[in-house]
Amino acid sequence: DSGVTQTPKHLITATGQRVTLRCSPRSGDLSVYWYQQSLDQGLQFLIQYYNGEERAKGNILERFSAQQFPDLHSELNLSSLELGDSALYFCASSVTGGAHTEAFFGQGTRLTVV
Amino acid sequence: AQKVTQAQTEISVVEKEDVTLDCVYETRDTTYYLFWYKQPPSGELVFLIRRNSFDEQNEISGRYSWNFQKSTSSFNFTITASQVVDSAVYFCALSEAPSNTGKLIFGQGTTLQVKP
Repeated sequence: DSGVTQTPKHLITATGQRVTLRCSPRSGDLSVYWYQQSLDQGLQFLIQYYNGEERAKGNILERFSAQQFPDLHSELNLSSLELGDSALYFCASSVTGGAHTEAFFGQGTRLTVV
Repeated sequence: AQKVTQAQTEISVVEKEDVTLDCVYETRDTTYYLFWYKQPPSGELVFLIRRNSFDEQNEISGRYSWNFQKSTSSFNFTITASQVVDSAVYFCALSEAPSNTGKLIFGQGTTLQVKP
């Protein structure tokens, strides 16, 4: 168990809908990351937060947004969902958010858009 | 541009065989970090190791060993005496120090199947 908790584990929703994925980082970790894993794109970095502030942005679609709250948990909001958004979404956390620190991953949320 | 290449898409071995997973990376930075993660069938990503670009010492942890060679931009992972429980997808990843973020650039992964 990495200590990173993601909910829900599975989500099935229809095209055009909006969903929210939740992540609780490991105790003591200040940085949270979101990654998307799909068959065609592999593991892609979406966004990183450190202590409530956005630190880095990857290939995150405009329909997607995220935030990190004062208690350090994070949410990834996906809207106007398309079939192609079906993927495994991972949250990870690390202590400082720097390049040298290893990130610990949650079990992921499997999103299926039908 | 930063890139991580894992040329082996799938490897199949019989239990107790040794197996090496290849990882080649590209970066313009002189300070960077390399990682290996394991994704078992249950789906989570498990951290295995981190190396920094200034430390080319090979590392051994039980049946796992890693060979880092800057001259060939490679960071290969060897499992000795493989076991069925080693069956998983293994990812190599790169993080660049100047970006001051923990953003990981992953390779496409190598699926390892260890047969009994």
